[in-house]
Amino acid sequence: AQKVTQAQTEISVVEKEDVTLDCVYETRDTTYYLFWYKQPPSGELVFLIRRNSFDEQNEISGRYSWNFQKSTSSFNFTITASQVVDSAVYFCALSEAGGYSTLTFGKGTMLLVSP
Amino acid sequence: KAGVTQTPRYLIKTRGQQVTLSCSPISGHRSVSWYQQTPGQGLQFLFEYFSETQRNKGNFPGRFSGRQFSNSRSEMNVSTLELGDSALYLCASSLGAGHSYEQYFGPGTRLTVT
Repeated sequence: AQKVTQAQTEISVVEKEDVTLDCVYETRDTTYYLFWYKQPPSGELVFLIRRNSFDEQNEISGRYSWNFQKSTSSFNFTITASQVVDSAVYFCALSEAGGYSTLTFGKGTMLLVSP
Repeated sequence: KAGVTQTPRYLIKTRGQQVTLSCSPISGHRSVSWYQQTPGQGLQFLFEYFSETQRNKGNFPGRFSGRQFSNSRSEMNVSTLELGDSALYLCASSLGAGHSYEQYFGPGTRLTVT
C-alpha cells in the first residue's frame, strides 16, 4: 500500500532563511506522480508541483525548488529566502497508476516564518 | 475561469442529523474527488466520481455517500452524524480521470457536529 511520510511536524524559521521540507514515500508501482500542495490558513489546497516517477530532474520555480530521488524514495521541497507569506501547512502527496486520481497525503508540515 | 466552489462554507449540525455538501467543479472538468481533513487523521480520500460514476471509494463507513450529476457537479451526504465527522471537507476537480491529471481544490466546507 502507498504511504507518504512527512517527518517534520512543524518548522519555524526567520525570514530570509532557507528551509527544506522532507517527504518520503512508499509505493509498489513503478508509475506514479508526486505532488506538493500548500494550505494557507484559509484552508484551500494550492497546487505547487507535480512530478512523474520517470522524471528525476530537479525543478526550480522562483524561490521554490524540488529534489526528487528515487533511490531514497524522497521528494524534498526547498524554499530559498523564506518570506512571511510562505507560512502555511505544506503537504506532499502520491498518486499511483491504476486509473484513479486518488491522492495519498502525508500529515503535512506546518511552516512558520517570522519577520 | 472560476475555480472549484463548495457550498456551504460552514455548517453546524447536531449528532444524529444528516448533511449534504455541494461541489461545483471547474468548467470542463469531469472528475470530482472528495477528501476529509481532520487534525488527527489528516487528509483522507472519500470518493472519486467521473461521468456520474463512482470510480473509487476510500475506507469510510456507509454513512458517507456521494453522487455526481450530468453537469459534473457533485454532492456528498453524511447520514447519522457523529462527533468525529467534524472536519474540513475538501472537493477537488480534474479534467479527466486518472493519476496524471492535476487536481484543483476548492476552499472546503467546515462541518462542526455538536
